[in-house]
Amino acid sequence: DSGVTQTPKHLITATGQRVTLRCSPRSGDLSVYWYQQSLDQGLQFLIQYYNGEERAKGNILERFSAQQFPDLHSELNLSSLELGDSALYFCASSVGPDYGYTFGSGTRLTVV
Amino acid sequence: QKEVEQDPGPLSVPEGAIVSLNCTYSNSAFQYFMWYRQYSRKGPELLMYTYSSGNKEDGRFTAQVDKSSKYISLFIRDSQPSDSATYLCAPHSGNTPLVFGKGTRLSVIA
Repeated sequence: DSGVTQTPKHLITATGQRVTLRCSPRSGDLSVYWYQQSLDQGLQFLIQYYNGEERAKGNILERFSAQQFPDLHSELNLSSLELGDSALYFCASSVGPDYGYTFGSGTRLTVV
Repeated sequence: QKEVEQDPGPLSVPEGAIVSLNCTYSNSAFQYFMWYRQYSRKGPELLMYTYSSGNKEDGRFTAQVDKSSKYISLFIRDSQPSDSATYLCAPHSGNTPLVFGKGTRLSVIA
């Protein structure tokens, strides 16, 4: 157990639907990062939050949004889902920018 | 040119072999260099972390950084079947989120 908890582990949903992925960071870590991993693209950075505030944005689609709550857990919202959104979504946390990240076990999203 | 390039493999070696995994990068601002290991259906886990150029050894693993040529390597000695995984390099500037290579899939055959 890495200390980073992601739920749910698996999600199957239909095109056009909306889903929410949840992440609880490791105790003491203020930064949360979301990554998307697909076979052809590898690990792609989506968005970072630090202590409740958005810190950096990567290749995140407008249909996707995220937030970090006062208790530091984070949610990634994916809407108007398309088949191409099927992927593994990872959350990671870190103490600070110079430290390595601790990853959760991911949420496998399948859009049918 | 992609920011981080890594040969995707797959790489298959016999047990006990020395494995060499490599990455190139383009951003000269990268100062920290990490290697992550990812087992199938699991999240990546930090394996090695080095700062600037040089070598760092941890057990059977050695990370090597050559900033002049923007080339980073991970060597695995006496490879074991349990080393079978995907290895991701992640050079880092310290103030931007990690950028990962696509990973090299390694299989160590008993």
